[in-house]
Amino acid sequence: DIQMTQSPSSLSASVGDRVTITCRASESVNTFLNWYRQKPGKAPQLLIFAATSLQRGVPSRFTGSGLGTHFTLTISGLQPEDFATYYCQQGSRTPYTFGQGTKVEI
Amino acid sequence: QALLVQSGAELKKPGTSVKVSCQASGYTFSSFPLHWVRQAPGQGLAWMGLIDPSSGDTTYAQSFRGRITVTRDKSTSTVYMELDSLRSEDTAFYYCARDPSNHATWFDPWGQGTLVTVSS
Repeated sequence: DIQMTQSPSSLSASVGDRVTITCRASESVNTFLNWYRQKPGKAPQLLIFAATSLQRGVPSRFTGSGLGTHFTLTISGLQPEDFATYYCQQGSRTPYTFGQGTKVEI
Repeated sequence: QALLVQSGAELKKPGTSVKVSCQASGYTFSSFPLHWVRQAPGQGLAWMGLIDPSSGDTTYAQSFRGRITVTRDKSTSTVYMELDSLRSEDTAFYYCARDPSNHATWFDPWGQGTLVTVSS
């Protein structure tokens, strides 16, 4: 199985901050890397697919980058609704695996 | 707009089975695979398996193989996930999610989640 490792596991930030979350894969997933935001008590929501593509309806403050084994999600100008947990997920091959999550807290 | 609506919460005893449904609307049901992902309380996300609604073909994660069965009913655009031999560790939210990609696999949208509690 492809192991996905996110860092940090949690971080503290303020409204307006720029935040970067890193995701590393145990082997190359090319650009088959996706990011989700999960608010408390809700299902995950797709933010970024194929490493860099912004999902329709998602604000442009979210950007994704990376290729192979190293990926980043950047939130430029944190908003109150962004205090949540973020997950990366590889779509290269089954079993489709997720990172352990990064909790963004105030 | 694609929408997935899941069945309600379940309370089950250890050793029994649970069957969770996921009804799709707003798109052509047979066109996209549907996946199941679970999340234990306070924990991360674990992919369980998928079904191609067109053919009925399934793929399951090794960790659930032998206990999970995913089926579909094309007449009602509904997918079902049945998990057998339940144990306390199976207490979790179970989500269905559509894969709108073409062989790249991402999940959008997700169902609202179904809480399955396993307790004697």
